[in-house]
Amino acid sequence: GAVVSQHPSWVICKSGTSVKIECRSLDFQATTMFWYRQFPKQSLMLMATSNEGSKATYEQGVEKDKFLINHASLTLSTLTVTSAHPEDSSFYICSAPARQTYEQYFGPGTRLTVT
Amino acid sequence: KQEVTQIPAALSVPEGENLVLNCSFTDSAIYNLQWFRQDPGKGLTSLLLIQSSQREQTSGRLNASLDKSSGRSTLYIAASQPGDSATYLCAVPGSGTYKYIFGTGTRLKVLA
Repeated sequence: GAVVSQHPSWVICKSGTSVKIECRSLDFQATTMFWYRQFPKQSLMLMATSNEGSKATYEQGVEKDKFLINHASLTLSTLTVTSAHPEDSSFYICSAPARQTYEQYFGPGTRLTVT
Repeated sequence: KQEVTQIPAALSVPEGENLVLNCSFTDSAIYNLQWFRQDPGKGLTSLLLIQSSQREQTSGRLNASLDKSSGRSTLYIAASQPGDSATYLCAVPGSGTYKYIFGTGTRLKVLA
């Protein structure tokens, strides 16, 4: 099956700094990617849709100026958490859909801890 | 707006039992439904994908069914093993889109 990678797998940063997370589709092109967030003992919540060559669309309640998304190529989307705070500590997962079946392929996730 | 619910929220069973996990969704106009497994602190492992035109899919001891008209899917696990212990998530596309909305999850513990 298709493979999606994420980097880094975990990151610790200080409050007030920015962190960039990369999501790559390794063996297929993805004009659209999705970013999810998962808090401990909770399910995944969709944050935003990343669109290659255009602006991302954000779900209700997600601050677009805090979570910057860039989808500069058909295989790479980045999520930048700006001015991170401890409450941003979470597990961030990206996914990309297969073109014909719309099956979602998920990255392994990035665990962000803000101290 | 698509909403996805999973029952039960948690389940603890002795090894060898056959299990049924339930997933219900409010908007039946979906492209597909996907079941995932998540181990603690880990990412998602895709288990089964059911296209909207299909009624069930099987993989080893796992069988998933889909009833679009009633907005339900079930994941059947035969002869459960301790290694099956994990959280099981179902996901369906949101209304009119193909971005996934996840269910609340079922935390399964199989006792040896």
